[in-house]
Amino acid sequence: GQNIDQPTEMTATEGAIVQINCTYQTSGFNGLFWYQQHAGEAPTFLSYNVLDGLEEKGRFSSFLSRSKGYSYLLLKELQMKDSASYLCAAMDSNYQLIWGAGTKLIIKP
Amino acid sequence: DTAVSQTPKYLVTQMGNDKSIKCEQNLGHDTMYWYKQDSKKFLKIMFSYNNKELIINETVPNRFSPKSPDKAHLNLHINSLELGDSAVYFCASSQEGEGTAVYQETQYFGPGTRLLVL
Repeated sequence: GQNIDQPTEMTATEGAIVQINCTYQTSGFNGLFWYQQHAGEAPTFLSYNVLDGLEEKGRFSSFLSRSKGYSYLLLKELQMKDSASYLCAAMDSNYQLIWGAGTKLIIKP
Repeated sequence: DTAVSQTPKYLVTQMGNDKSIKCEQNLGHDTMYWYKQDSKKFLKIMFSYNNKELIINETVPNRFSPKSPDKAHLNLHINSLELGDSAVYFCASSQEGEGTAVYQETQYFGPGTRLLVL
């Protein structure tokens, strides 16, 4: 079956760095997405990886290892506004997104 | 301009009623989606639809039906509402392209419709 695993909740300190891991099992693979969702709001696109390696976008970076079925989202210089849920989603061979349950990130001062 | 919009934002109704949620996207995308997000915050795909194909998640009750008057709209009609239908419903859209370009399959979400069935 198809499955996405990510931690339910993580806590980090303002100004620090946090890494949110995601492992996936899909029928075929056409890329890995990370979305951010603030409480009561819609998910918003953060990053897309389809090749192995690290993609950097400002304070956020995303890494993919296709052979390991593994990705992580790295958030640097954490700000209070980064408190949100981070959703990992893998695209299968039918271009359907398989969603994880999300990781709730709590930032403390 | 709002890229993906939904109405209403909030919907409170009685069990057994029939209701519709509207979605419009002005991005020129070919594919639209409906998701249900329950209290545990898990996003569950209900339908994906483009001008060629409707893909239905087989776990979705047939009380739920998507209706697309044109490429920019995908409405969700729900018959005989039940208590368990209470959730946030998100509409999303993406450009069809079978993933041939980076970001081409990125889905853009509407603000959500918070449905409460009493």
